[in-house]
Amino acid sequence: ELKVEQNPLFLSMQEGKNYTIYCNYSTTSDRLYWYRQDPGKSLESLFVLLSNGAVKQEGRLMASLDTKARLSTLHITAAVHDLSATYFCAVEDSGGGADGLTFGKGTHLIIQP
Amino acid sequence: DAGVIQSPRHEVTEMGQEVTLRCKPISGHNSLFWYRQTMMRGLELLIYFNNNVPIDDSGMPEDRFSAKMPNASFSTLKIQPSEPRDSAVYFCASSEVTGWNSPLHFGNGTRLTVT
Repeated sequence: ELKVEQNPLFLSMQEGKNYTIYCNYSTTSDRLYWYRQDPGKSLESLFVLLSNGAVKQEGRLMASLDTKARLSTLHITAAVHDLSATYFCAVEDSGGGADGLTFGKGTHLIIQP
Repeated sequence: DAGVIQSPRHEVTEMGQEVTLRCKPISGHNSLFWYRQTMMRGLELLIYFNNNVPIDDSGMPEDRFSAKMPNASFSTLKIQPSEPRDSAVYFCASSEVTGWNSPLHFGNGTRLTVT
């Protein structure tokens, strides 16, 4: 059974600081996704990481994937309040087509002014 | 594109009643997924369809849950009879089967409360 673990589950930080969220998964996979969810809202796709060493950046967020270590990171640079949300990583554990994703429990991020 | 459309947005019902949740995927997407989100268990995959065919329903918690996809533009998730522990937010998502870099696109969810 595929397990996806995020760390930390809760993070409170100040604006302007940098921080990294970690996502470990338990089985071989070369497709990993990051989503953002605002309170009471749906999930919004942030990044799709498709291969070992993949790195993607959007604004103050940067995601990377190390398939050998079964680890993805989401790095926040110079955090701003608007980035407060819950961030989920999700892993697809079989190749071919679009199979169901297994989600981590999410990292609840609060960025204080 | 309107995105994935779910209805109703909120549903409050009494234990024992039948509940039907509805989903319209994004046009052209071949895969459809039903997820349940709770504080305790996070996001759980219940079932998914490829080209209207159920592929994996191992996440469906009990026989009280059933899902159908009669055509490419509509799916339902039914709970009969409902129980208080079914209270959760139910999300429908769709994706392109052949898109190797295609993420899941989620609807706004249905918040179900069973009293």
